[in-house]
Amino acid sequence: DSGVTQTPKHLITATGQRVTLRCSPRSGDLSVYWYQQSLDQGLQFLIQYYNGEERAKGNILERFSAQQFPDLHSELNLSSLELGDSALYFCASSVGLAGVGHEQFFGPGTRLTVL
Amino acid sequence: GENVEQHPSTLSVQEGDSAVIKCTYSDSASNYFPWYKQELGKRPQLIIDIRSNVGEKKDQRIAVTLNKTAKHFSLHITETQPEDSAVYFCADLNYGGSQGNLIFGKGTKLSVKP
Repeated sequence: DSGVTQTPKHLITATGQRVTLRCSPRSGDLSVYWYQQSLDQGLQFLIQYYNGEERAKGNILERFSAQQFPDLHSELNLSSLELGDSALYFCASSVGLAGVGHEQFFGPGTRLTVL
Repeated sequence: GENVEQHPSTLSVQEGDSAVIKCTYSDSASNYFPWYKQELGKRPQLIIDIRSNVGEKKDQRIAVTLNKTAKHFSLHITETQPEDSAVYFCADLNYGGSQGNLIFGKGTKLSVKP
């Protein structure tokens, strides 16, 4: 157990809908990262927050948004869902910015299925 | 933007043999290179990492080598065991730079046959 929690574990929804994925980082970690992992694909970085502020943006669609709250938990909002959004969404956290001495710890992931 | 290429995409070895996975990166300012292991249905977990001021690092059966001039780094697993079967991801980062996130390779699926 990495100490990073994600809810829900599984999510099944229909095209056009909106969902919210939640992540609680490890105690003391200020950075939260969101990744998308499609079938047979690698880890696509979406977005990073550090202490409540957006720090870096990757290949995140305009239909997707995220935020980090004062208690440091984060939510990833996915709207106007399409079949291609079906994937495993991981949250990771680190003490500071990723790098030396600041290992990223991954949560168990949320598996999103869009029908 | 930064790009990390990882090869091979799949690798099958016999138990006891060695496995080598290679990654190349494009940003010469990258200075941190972690490797993650992801077992089926589980989260990625850091198994070893290396800084740009080090050429090689070992941890039991796992080692990572870095060639800064050629901008590539490799994961070496010796005496492979069936439990080494997983997908391995390399990544790089410009620690301290404006890039705040890891860039991952596409992964290598390692199968160790008993």
